[in-house]
Amino acid sequence: AQSVSQHNHHVILSEAASLELGCNYSYGGTVNLFWYVQYPGQHLQLLLKYFSGDPLVKGIKGFEAEFIKSKFSFNLRKPSVQWSDTAEYFCAVNCSGGYNKLIFGAGTRLAVHP
Amino acid sequence: EPEVTQTPSHQVTQMGQEVILRCVPISNHLYFYWYRQILGQKVEFLVSFYNNEISEKSEIFDDQFSVERPDGSNFTLKIRSTKLEDSAMYFCASSEASGLTDTQYFGPGTRLTVL
Repeated sequence: AQSVSQHNHHVILSEAASLELGCNYSYGGTVNLFWYVQYPGQHLQLLLKYFSGDPLVKGIKGFEAEFIKSKFSFNLRKPSVQWSDTAEYFCAVNCSGGYNKLIFGAGTRLAVHP
Repeated sequence: EPEVTQTPSHQVTQMGQEVILRCVPISNHLYFYWYRQILGQKVEFLVSFYNNEISEKSEIFDDQFSVERPDGSNFTLKIRSTKLEDSAMYFCASSEASGLTDTQYFGPGTRLTVL
């Protein structure tokens, strides 16, 4: 069965630190990959997505993610985090033949201290 | 920017009662979804819906659950006889189409508490 793993459940950083959140998926076929963010008290918002082409995708608010097919990974990065990046981050995949069903990871709760 | 909306934001009910959670998808979207997130657990897919039919459902979506698009704007999730374990945040989502390249946009969620 398809699954998504996010390795870090809680991450605490100081402002200006660099961020990398891990995401691995298990599925051998075609996938589309997403990172969603949920700010405190708000709904899930799309941060970025990968469908095809350049495996390095850029999203909103300075985030980027790299799809490494050989490692089944789609890690999220930001070179310098801000306090306003405090949120929960969810990796999700959409597998071919899945009628657009998103499979989510468990989420990573990021706290950025000023 | 168009948004998916959900009502109510919080619903408290007694075990065994029926609840209806409401969603208004983005107006030109044709595909609708329900997901849920039990506290501390992953966001889980429940059901997808298109053209007044269920496209896919998970094993969670048993006979106690049903979905409906009663008019041109609303999309509802009904739980016929709630159980304690139905307590969760329920998210509605919609997308323009159902291809792999289509993005799902999520509503703010309804927190369901079953007592």
